[in-house]
Amino acid sequence: DVVMTQTPPSLSVAIGQSVSISCKSSQSLVYSDGKTYLHWLLQSPGQSPKLLIYQVSNLGSGVPDRFSGTGSQKDFTLKISRVEAEDLGVYYCVQATHFPFTFGSGTKLEIK
Amino acid sequence: QVKLQQSGAELVKPGASVKLSCKTSGYTFSTSYMSWFKQIPGQSIEWIGMIYAGDGGTGYNQKFKGKATLTVDTSSSTAYMDLSSLTTEDSAVYFCARLETTVATSFDYWGQGVMVTVSS
Repeated sequence: DVVMTQTPPSLSVAIGQSVSISCKSSQSLVYSDGKTYLHWLLQSPGQSPKLLIYQVSNLGSGVPDRFSGTGSQKDFTLKISRVEAEDLGVYYCVQATHFPFTFGSGTKLEIK
Repeated sequence: QVKLQQSGAELVKPGASVKLSCKTSGYTFSTSYMSWFKQIPGQSIEWIGMIYAGDGGTGYNQKFKGKATLTVDTSSSTAYMDLSSLTTEDSAVYFCARLETTVATSFDYWGQGVMVTVSS
């Protein structure tokens, strides 16, 4: 199975600051069609996950452009510019290139 | 709008089975994929498997083969997951999520989750 390594495990940031979360995979996530099925989800407290970014860098529906994703092959980053209170929760990267689909261990974002 | 409504919390005894449902609305269920996930509170998420509603074709995480069985009822736009021979290790929250394949090829809509507690 593809191992997804997410860092850091937790972050504490002030409103208005920017943060980055790293996600590294044990194998390249480029599929045979040339696309990279690496996505980012946010699970707010007590809620189900929500799609933030799909295929590395594309914003999900209704997601503010304070969120951005970059990366390629095995190394990916989620950046949140100008953190807002509503951004707290656990962020997960997930790969859907190889079966079985696998998730990172999560990064918990707390607001100072 | 797209909605995935999961059935209510379950308390089941070890060795028993449980069938979870995920009723959908707001999109064409019969030509879509549905995935299921397991999350033990405080831990990360595991992908259990997925099913194509068009023909009932399935794909499973090897870890959950024999544990989970995915089915659909296209007449009611509902996906189901049977969990068998339950143990305390199956106590978790289970989510269904649509696997959108035309644009994102990702999990764009999620059910609210259902807590399954296995206890005698």
